[in-house]
Amino acid sequence: QVQLVQSGAEVKRPGASVKVSCKASGYSLTSFEINWVRQAPGQGLEWMGWMIPKTGNTGYAQKFQGRVSMTRNTSINTAYLEVSSLRNEDTAVYFCARAARGLRGDDYYYYMDVWGKGTTVIVSS
Amino acid sequence: DIQMTQSPSSLSASVGDRVTITCRASQGIRNLLAWYQQKPGMAPELLIYAASTLQSGVPSRFSGSGSGTEFTLTIGSLQPEDVATYYCQKYDTAPLTFGGGTKVEIK
Repeated sequence: QVQLVQSGAEVKRPGASVKVSCKASGYSLTSFEINWVRQAPGQGLEWMGWMIPKTGNTGYAQKFQGRVSMTRNTSINTAYLEVSSLRNEDTAVYFCARAARGLRGDDYYYYMDVWGKGTTVIVSS
Repeated sequence: DIQMTQSPSSLSASVGDRVTITCRASQGIRNLLAWYQQKPGMAPELLIYAASTLQSGVPSRFSGSGSGTEFTLTIGSLQPEDVATYYCQKYDTAPLTFGGGTKVEIK
């Protein structure tokens, strides 16, 4: 079945980097976009950015510019999120989500229809 | 950037009640809005896109409406399995901002 399988939990020191993987199963990674969304403990959802796996093009929320990198390895159907210069406030669950974009009748759509289960990243000294 | 504001932040209703959640955009976004449901400890799930189009497999008691700056998500008859936090998200242009969420509980 179609799913996104994320890597396991990480514990990092402030200032370190973390790389989270997101492996697409049941479909080709290059057929859809990938978004990354994070959720701090007890907080809401925060959009981090997107990647078009077919081309490698990316777009990041301004808050994360310069500190986040979204990449992919199409040969193993896997997307990656790397966050550098980690701070305590980066402690969160990081989700990858498949996104579909298009036009249906008069309606433009962009929605995230398949989500990974999330990767917990704890930043602590 | 356009801000997305949801209200209320939480609500408690009885099984069978009609529940309405509002999402307001600080600028017009046409109908370029999606709704997600997130149950405790789980990843979000898509409910509605293009403001009113129900995602395949989502129960018909869920409906969405609105355009421009004001949107609503309605649960026609609240069920125990609807206990969750609901988020709106705009997708007109980046950033794809989420609303702050509305936590729905059973009275």
